[in-house]
Amino acid sequence: TAGITQAPTSQILAAGRSMTLRCTQDMRHNAMYWYRQDLGLGLRLIHYSNTAGTTGKGEVPDGYSVSRANTDDFPLTLASAVPSQTSVYFCASRPWGDSGPYEQYFGPGTRLTVT
Amino acid sequence: AQSVSQHNHHVILSEAASLELGCNYSYGGTVNLFWYVQYPGQHLQLLLKYFSGDPLVKGIKGFEAEFIKSKFSFNLRKPSVQWSDTAEYFCAVTQMDSSYKLIFGSGTRLLVRP
Repeated sequence: TAGITQAPTSQILAAGRSMTLRCTQDMRHNAMYWYRQDLGLGLRLIHYSNTAGTTGKGEVPDGYSVSRANTDDFPLTLASAVPSQTSVYFCASRPWGDSGPYEQYFGPGTRLTVT
Repeated sequence: AQSVSQHNHHVILSEAASLELGCNYSYGGTVNLFWYVQYPGQHLQLLLKYFSGDPLVKGIKGFEAEFIKSKFSFNLRKPSVQWSDTAEYFCAVTQMDSSYKLIFGSGTRLLVRP
């Protein structure tokens, strides 16, 4: 199985432009996440979704939006990119359950540079 | 909110040296703890996890970690590192709210010299 796929692998984007980062998983996991990774800060949660049709905000949601129309896809949209959104973006998923461990599986990442 | 501290930001070792990376978390209740590894240019992979039972957990590639509740610690160890262990290591804890998100430490970059 492919697990989690992300597209594009990398992108250079002009400030003010919009972009959608794609994430697809084939594990039928209910919960999905978007993190950004910045040097010295580890990974920080942008948005999450516990199940199709629901979304929630993470630590750094400003400037980003998500949707969850079905179980497999969880796109992240930057409506008007700014240089501070230059980062590596990781999508992750987790099988839903009432007990731990709440392990997450990560995609390969998208490296975004906003100029 | 929970937090995770990794005290060593950069570690340089020679092959065959022993490794211990520190990780402390702030939450006092039930915890799910993880160590992830990120090899250069790759995505995060799970090394090991703990959520109950034996506090000494063994993971892949000869890594192990010990959960010490009284010290709020989950240190990663390996008796003898290899050049291929060069990577960045992240400790993480699950935030026990509606998101069950992972709270990550800032990471430790390990360089193993051949």
